[in-house]
Parts: sequence; C-alpha cells; structure tokens
Amino acid sequence: DVKVTQSSRYLVKRTGEKVFLECVQDMDHENMFWYRQDPGLGLRLIYFSYDVKMKEKGDIPEGYSVSREKKERFSLILESASTNQTSMYLCASVGGRVTNIQYFGAGTRLSVL
Amino acid sequence: GQQLNQSPQSMFIQEGEDVSMNCTSSSIFNTWLWYKQDPGEGPVLLIALYKAGELTSNGRLTAQFGITRKDSFLNISASIPSDVGIYFCAGPVAYNFNKFYFGSGTKLNVKP
Repeated sequence: DVKVTQSSRYLVKRTGEKVFLECVQDMDHENMFWYRQDPGLGLRLIYFSYDVKMKEKGDIPEGYSVSREKKERFSLILESASTNQTSMYLCASVGGRVTNIQYFGAGTRLSVL
Repeated sequence: GQQLNQSPQSMFIQEGEDVSMNCTSSSIFNTWLWYKQDPGEGPVLLIALYKAGELTSNGRLTAQFGITRKDSFLNISASIPSDVGIYFCAGPVAYNFNKFYFGSGTKLNVKP
C-alpha cells in the first residue's frame, strides 16, 4: 500500500512565524503535491514537484514556498505565517506504474493566531 | 483550479437507505476517481474508473464512468453510520498527470 505521511496532524503557530510542513512518501513516486482545503473552496493546488529540486506553482502559491531535496520528501514552507493561512493542508503523491491516482496524507490542520 | 460539478452538496439519510451522487465536467476525462474523507483526515481512494461505461464495485459502493466521459456516479447501498464523511470525485487532466480536478464534495450524514 502507498503510504504518504505528514509529519504533524495539528499545528498552532503565531503570525509572522516561519512554518515547515513535511511530507514523506514511501513508493518512490516522482510527483508530489501540496493542497490546501477550505470549506466551500474545495482543494486548491499550492505547488507540485515532478522531480528532485523541481517545482511548479499551482493555483495559489502566494505566501508559500516548497523544497524537494530528496525524492521521498516534499516540504511546504510558510515564510511568514498569516491568519489567512489557517487551513487544512494535504500532501499527495503520484507515480510509479499508476500515474493517474493521487494518494493523500492524513492532513495537517494549521491554525495561525 | 477548475472544479468538477458535484451534486448534491449534502445529504441527510436514514441508516439502511441507498445514496447516489454524481460529478460532471465540461471536459472529457480518461480516469475518474472517487475518494472519501473522514472528518479531520485525508482523502482515501475508494474507486478508480478507467474506461467509458465501466461499472466498478467496492463492497457496498458502486461507481460508473459515464459513456460521454464527462460524468461519473457513485452509489452507496444500505448505508451505515460509518459511511458519514465527505465524498468527492477527482480526475487527472488528460495526458497531464500533474493536474487534477476535484469536485467540491458531497457531505453525507447518516442517522442511525
């Protein structure tokens, strides 16, 4: 079974803090994604990566950056957290023989105070 | 990004009832995916559909890939309380597996 692990289930941070959300997958997948999920807005793509050190902006990249130094790990960085970044963050990966299914992590619920 | 049109937005049903929800798109899809998301959790894949007209079951769940390739349906038979959650459809843009579209979700409530 594919396993996508997000390091934190819940995080509480203060405005202005730098925040790191970590995601690790164990299936040697090439593509990894970060989404945020808000009520009424569905899933919105922040960034994705198709290879180590490669990244592409999604639909809402402002205020975020990402890092992919190793194939299995994709990090989302909030350079200076703001209250409007309070949300559920979901990591997903795709790859291997089945390239048309996204597998999700359990999510990180981030609250910025 | 673009969202798929999913309906209904929410459902309140009695345990034992059957449930049906659907997703439509203005574009053709080559794959339709159905996920379930429990409160506070990440989405879990329920069913994947790969061919127009395909009908696939997973226990009490049955999903169909529409003939036009622009829609898909998910049915849940004999609902139970643990079916509570949000169900949403998704699919990759044809020939671009870095771009996925998602439905807005159907919130299912099951009364024991």
